Formats: sequence, C-alpha cells, structure tokens
Amino acid sequence: RKEVEQDPGPFNVPEGATVAFNCTYSNSASQSFFWYRQDCRKEPKLLMSVYSSGNEDGRFTAQLNRASQYISLLIRDSKLSDSATYLCVVTSNTGGFKTIFGAGTRLFVKA
Amino acid sequence: DTGVSQNPRHKITKRGQNVTFRCDPISEHNRLYWYRQTLGQGPEFLTYFQNEAQLEKSRLLSDRFSAERPKGSFSTLEIQRTEQGDSAMYLCASSLEVSYNEQFFGPGTRLTVL
Repeated sequence: RKEVEQDPGPFNVPEGATVAFNCTYSNSASQSFFWYRQDCRKEPKLLMSVYSSGNEDGRFTAQLNRASQYISLLIRDSKLSDSATYLCVVTSNTGGFKTIFGAGTRLFVKA
Repeated sequence: DTGVSQNPRHKITKRGQNVTFRCDPISEHNRLYWYRQTLGQGPEFLTYFQNEAQLEKSRLLSDRFSAERPKGSFSTLEIQRTEQGDSAMYLCASSLEVSYNEQFFGPGTRLTVL
C-alpha cells in the first residue's frame, strides 16, 4: 500500500461545477498536510495547508479527518484555469523526517 | 526574484558522465529539500538540509548521488556515473523551520541521460 494515495482521475468537469478530491495516508503519526497544484511541466505550487479545523480560501476548501486518515479538497465554481494536477502532501517526523507526495489527481475543466 | 532558483534548467548528458545541479533557496529559509519527479508521479523525497547539516537521506539516494550545502545557503546535487534511469526532473524546495513547514519549489532541472 502506498503511503499517500490519490485517485489519479482524470476528472473532467464543466466550468462552474463543484469537484472534490480525496487523499488517504497510512501513517497515523503524520503531522502536516498540504495540497499543491502542478501545471504541466512546471513545479508544484502550494495551494493550501490543511489544518485540523479545516480551512477555506475563496473557492477552495480543505478538510482533514485524522480518525479516517484522509484529507479532501473541494473546488467550487470551477474555472478553466483550475485545470491542473492536484498533489496531496503529508509530512511526518517519526523515524526520521519524511515528506510524501501522492501521485496526483488530474483535473480538466472544460467550457 | 526572491523565489527558489535552480540551474541549469535542462541538462542532457551521456550515460556514465557526472552532472551537478545547483539550487538557491529563498534567502531566509534554513531548510532545503531535493526531490526527483518522473512522468505521472508525484515528487519523491531525496534528502533535506537544515542549514548546512544534511539531516535525512532517502533510500532512493544511492551512493552515486551526493548533496551538499556547505555554507547553509545554496546547495548542489551531484550524480556520478549517470544511468538512463536517472532521467527525471530534479526539484529543489526550501522552507522555514516552523511547525507547518510549507515548502516552496524551484522550477526544477530536467535531466536526460542518453
């Protein structure tokens, strides 16, 4: 089992749709959680940190469920410019520092 | 530009040659990370530094790979005796030493080994 798992997609949605991604992680001692966005042949860019209380930034909402060991990302009112790969990231500091990226979920938003 | 920079952006080399990449982190960041990314995968952690100390190395980092950060500022990643399987994007990131250490990435160095 991979340490961080994501549905690879692709998710094909029309503009204006709401789309949700989930990510599961295996290390219950994980400490920090993030969503990154990566455009084709570009570097990952931080989209949101995911806090225990959940957080919202405009059209984006992230949630953390420690009991079930998953994080989620909700995108409302999708724009064409949201088309990208969304990477789930988990860090832990038990048995050594680790940052684990999921393989990413591809999103295509179409007009 | 105050972001993370990496040089070169592209490197093509022949199998068996040595290559070296450079990363300049955001100036106030004391943590620096190296990752490798291949097509369709997320970045894989290779190693990280806190100031000049290399604190963690992945099992992915074979003895052909070495990284340094001699003065706690820029870092270099060297690959000796390159193999075709080393072809990948090599990404550098930096962060502050805080509890939620958000990492910021450079544009990467794309290595092609012929």
